[in-house]
Amino acid sequence: QSVLTQPPSVSAAPGQKVTISCSGSSSNIGSDYVSWYQQLPGTAPKLLIYDNNKRPSGIPDRFSGSKSGTSATLGITGLQTGDEADYYCGTWDTSLSAGVFGGGTKLTVL
Amino acid sequence: EVQVVESGGGLVQPGGSLRLSCAASGFTFTRYWMTWVRQAPGKGLEWVANINQDGNERYYVDSVRGRFTISRDNAKNSVYLQMNSLRVEDTAVYYCARDKSGGAIRFDPWGQGTLVSVSS
Repeated sequence: QSVLTQPPSVSAAPGQKVTISCSGSSSNIGSDYVSWYQQLPGTAPKLLIYDNNKRPSGIPDRFSGSKSGTSATLGITGLQTGDEADYYCGTWDTSLSAGVFGGGTKLTVL
Repeated sequence: EVQVVESGGGLVQPGGSLRLSCAASGFTFTRYWMTWVRQAPGKGLEWVANINQDGNERYYVDSVRGRFTISRDNAKNSVYLQMNSLRVEDTAVYYCARDKSGGAIRFDPWGQGTLVSVSS
């Protein structure tokens, strides 16, 4: 059971938009920034979004992040088949004094 | 190129020990926290431990506290994870990642991972 809650899977057609939610509590998302990671099949995770809504260099603006209260959202527009991957949210939990991740969301581009 | 490279994984019996290493390059190592994250086969990511720039602040997930020790050698640009009293449930790919320099945690880049298998 992960501290942060994500839907197990989402799907959408190529070119469409999808959002992935990440729900937490006042001791994690509610009190710190959220980052998002993309894990393509058979590869190591890669940072997509940090500090809720900032993109590292090289990450296209099709990827966006937002946060409100104890929830965060990753948005992906103009879906491509190459976006099929597992997506994870992460943050720091001040009560646990530990990093925490969501359980991951598998994106299928139909 | 900014990168981290893990090594030291392998097969170990329950109750045994293993030391993972992570060599960093392409950035000023002493400016960053460093983190270990693991992923059990077919499962999601689990944060394991992190360490601050000079090694005097360390945090662990509850399931490894008291068994695992994270450390770093700034002269060698390396971070380590000493794993003792290993359990079957510690079986996972272990990733090293550069963490924050300040502010909120963020893991970038990640290494390719090293597989730890705990089995009799």
